[in-house]
Amino acid sequence: DTGVSQDPRHKITKRGQNVTFRCDPISEHNRLYWYRQTLGQGPEFLTYFQNEAQLEKSRLLSDRFSAERPKGSFSTLEIQRTEQGDSAMYLCASSSARDNAEAFFGQGTRLTVV
Amino acid sequence: TQLLEQSPQFLSIQEGENLTVYCNSSSVFSSLQWYRQEPGEGPVLLVTVVTGGEVKKLKRLTFQFGDARKDSSLHITAAQPGDTGLYLCAGGDQGGKLIFGQGTELSVKP
Repeated sequence: DTGVSQDPRHKITKRGQNVTFRCDPISEHNRLYWYRQTLGQGPEFLTYFQNEAQLEKSRLLSDRFSAERPKGSFSTLEIQRTEQGDSAMYLCASSSARDNAEAFFGQGTRLTVV
Repeated sequence: TQLLEQSPQFLSIQEGENLTVYCNSSSVFSSLQWYRQEPGEGPVLLVTVVTGGEVKKLKRLTFQFGDARKDSSLHITAAQPGDTGLYLCAGGDQGGKLIFGQGTELSVKP
């Protein structure tokens, strides 16, 4: 296993279109996290899963955003009716479920809404 | 709301100089993680500290977790151009969720 994998690396979309990103975590990790990072800022938490259960969602996650992890393995993050303000780097991370487990990040998906 | 204040935001130094980056909060964290990020890439984990007062060394990098587990520092000795990048501290809760500081953009000039 080579680490957390995200696809695509880059996505350019027109305002109003829907986009979906995929994250494949490290195989033995049962926690999966989504973060969003804008230029010049640190990543901001969006949501996380333990196995297939979505345990927490940030208030940043508007109703246009939905995340799934149907079989407790890979996850998808969908943004409906994209807006220019959605332009950001979307990062996925995974960790084990033990206390203070280290989180490992993927390379991110850079979304540009034009 | 838990917040992490990281300082300085920008640092430009000459090769061979030492530097310290600070990460402060009014909240207690279960753990604190330091990451380094290059443009267009995801953050890469450098170290995790979990015990108050803990000090960890990684070659020329020294990480310290405050006694009260609210603050941390990263010290780099004899910085090299390869150390250039964005350094991020992140406080973790029991569920593993991370609260990030805004980052320190380090530039080391040869």
